[in-house]
Amino acid sequence: AQSVTQPDIHITVSEGASLELRCNYSYGATPYLFWYVQSPGQGLQLLLKYFSGDTLVQGIKGFEAEFKRSQSSFNLRKPSVHWSDAAEYFCAVGAPPMFSGGYNKLIFGAGTRLAVHP
Amino acid sequence: DGGITQSPKYLFRKEGQNVTLSCEQNLNHDAMYWYRQDPGQGLRLIYYSQIVNDFQKGDIAEGYSVSREKKESFPLTVTSAQKNPTAFYLCASSIGQKPLHFGNGTRLTVT
Repeated sequence: AQSVTQPDIHITVSEGASLELRCNYSYGATPYLFWYVQSPGQGLQLLLKYFSGDTLVQGIKGFEAEFKRSQSSFNLRKPSVHWSDAAEYFCAVGAPPMFSGGYNKLIFGAGTRLAVHP
Repeated sequence: DGGITQSPKYLFRKEGQNVTLSCEQNLNHDAMYWYRQDPGQGLRLIYYSQIVNDFQKGDIAEGYSVSREKKESFPLTVTSAQKNPTAFYLCASSIGQKPLHFGNGTRLTVT
């Protein structure tokens, strides 16, 4: 079955500390992978995506993620966390769209809520 | 600026009533999606549409209905058959391989 697992429900880090959010997926083929961030009561904003090529991808707000095929993982990292990074983070996986009609059944993990201590 | 508009932001209904959530996009995207978000469960796909006048059920379509009469619009009706309708509903759109672009959501409370 296709699934996305984010093992950490809550993570708390100190401002300035490094961050790694874990994402493991189960998928039948090479997936397209995404990380999104959500502030309370808001929609989701794309942080970064991986389709193919270089397995280390850079995103917005200083985030990066590394695709490891052998571990079925796509972990999100940031070298130094800012208080404004406190939010909920979602990993998602889907099949490449066949045509312009977009994705079908993009699967999301349950999310990791990040708290940042001053 | 292009984007997705979901209205209203907060919606309150009595049990037994149908309610329709609005989603409009001016991004010229072909595909549109409805997700439901509950605490601790992430996002679950309700319905999606890849082209006008066509839509597909997602993982939790029971108790919901949609229409796609125009490319820009994808309204979601939460019917009285939906057992636990209180949730945060997110609409999204996409085109080709571009990632999903989300609206700001509608929080529905049914009492």
